[in-house]
Amino acid sequence: ILNVEQSPQSLHVQEGDSTNFTCSFPSSNFYALHWYRWETAKSPEALFVMTLNGDEKKKGRISATLNTKEGYSYLYIKGSQPEDSATYLCAFIVVTDKLIFGTGTRLQVFP
Amino acid sequence: DTEVTQTPKHLVMGMTNKKSLKCEQHMGHRAMYWYKQKAKKPPELMFVYSYEKLSINESVPSRFSPECPNSSLLNLHLHALQPEDSALYLCASSRTGADTQYFGPGTRLTVL
Repeated sequence: ILNVEQSPQSLHVQEGDSTNFTCSFPSSNFYALHWYRWETAKSPEALFVMTLNGDEKKKGRISATLNTKEGYSYLYIKGSQPEDSATYLCAFIVVTDKLIFGTGTRLQVFP
Repeated sequence: DTEVTQTPKHLVMGMTNKKSLKCEQHMGHRAMYWYKQKAKKPPELMFVYSYEKLSINESVPSRFSPECPNSSLLNLHLHALQPEDSALYLCASSRTGADTQYFGPGTRLTVL
């Protein structure tokens, strides 16, 4: 059984704070790592697809890094806003087609 | 059009009923997926169709029966479900198997 762990499980921050979360995955047989944002009552929305060790991706105030050798990825949010409140899911691909989702980090940003 | 649609949004069914969930995308994606999501848990993969052929079945009970009539449509036929099958069922599609997945809004299923 492949485990994809995310920490922390939940996070409460003030508007303007920067924050980061971790996704840990098996370092062997790596194929790709996805990050998704899932707002309540909406569909999960893709943020990043990461494939290469050392990858860094950025989308506005959100960025992510990838270390496939040690099996982790970090997601950073700079200057959190209330609209960033959501559950952030990472998903590990070990073979084509099959995503294994992490447990998620639930972020709440208070004004 | 980057939308994946799912119908119905909500479904309540008895254990003896037969119902179907539908999913549709018009992005030309060749991979389509069914996930099951229980409260406070991540989505769990159920089935993957690649080029309209079933490529992954994650040991799902036979009371769930997927069908891919064409490259835009994915169905999930339900029969003799149990109350523990109550969950959010998400459909997704991607250009190929490793690409970004686009998710539908889900069908909230309640089995009485």
